[in-house]
Amino acid sequence: KQEVTQIPAALSVPEGENLVLNCSFTDSAIYNLQWFRQDPGKGLTSLLLIQSSQREQTSGRLNASLDKSSGRSTLYIAASQPGDSATYLCAVPQGGSEKLVFGKGMKLTVNP
Amino acid sequence: NAGVTQTPKFRVLKTGQSMTLLCAQDMNHEYMYWYRQDPGMGLRLIHYSVGEGTTAKGEVPDGYNVSRLKKQNFLLGLESAAPSQTSVYFCASRSDSLSSYNEQFFGPGTRLTVL
Repeated sequence: KQEVTQIPAALSVPEGENLVLNCSFTDSAIYNLQWFRQDPGKGLTSLLLIQSSQREQTSGRLNASLDKSSGRSTLYIAASQPGDSATYLCAVPQGGSEKLVFGKGMKLTVNP
Repeated sequence: NAGVTQTPKFRVLKTGQSMTLLCAQDMNHEYMYWYRQDPGMGLRLIHYSVGEGTTAKGEVPDGYNVSRLKKQNFLLGLESAAPSQTSVYFCASRSDSLSSYNEQFFGPGTRLTVL
């Protein structure tokens, strides 16, 4: 059974810092990994999707890497801004099913 | 494109009442999903559909029914609401294109309270 862990559960940083968000998963046989952002009271916004054949994916100030063999993904946020404050979730498909297994999320607060 | 939309945004029910949540997507996606999100439990899959006219059970299907009569719509029904169904419900969809396999797009959610 696939399990996804995100540590720490919360992070508070001053504006301008480069950030590293971690995601680990137990079953390395994944098709891909997806990072989401969730603002309070809102739905999930897809940030990046990394296919299993890729090592990293970039979008603007965001860069996600994937190391299947070690069961880890990292989301880098460059030059953090207060508008980056949100909960960030990672998710991987459970092998052979339509189910996405989500981490519990990491609540990020970027202070001005 | 509106993407994935959900109605209603909020609802309060009494125990035993029934209701239907509507999800609509305008991206011509084959796959649609219903999740619930609870504090400390994360997101859990309730039911899903791999195409018009199909439905399948997810992780926590008990107490819910679904229908996919039209490709763009996915309905989630509660026949007899219970307080344990108080949650935030999210709908999601994805295409069946291999190039975007499993990238799911989410709606804004429905906040349901059952008293």
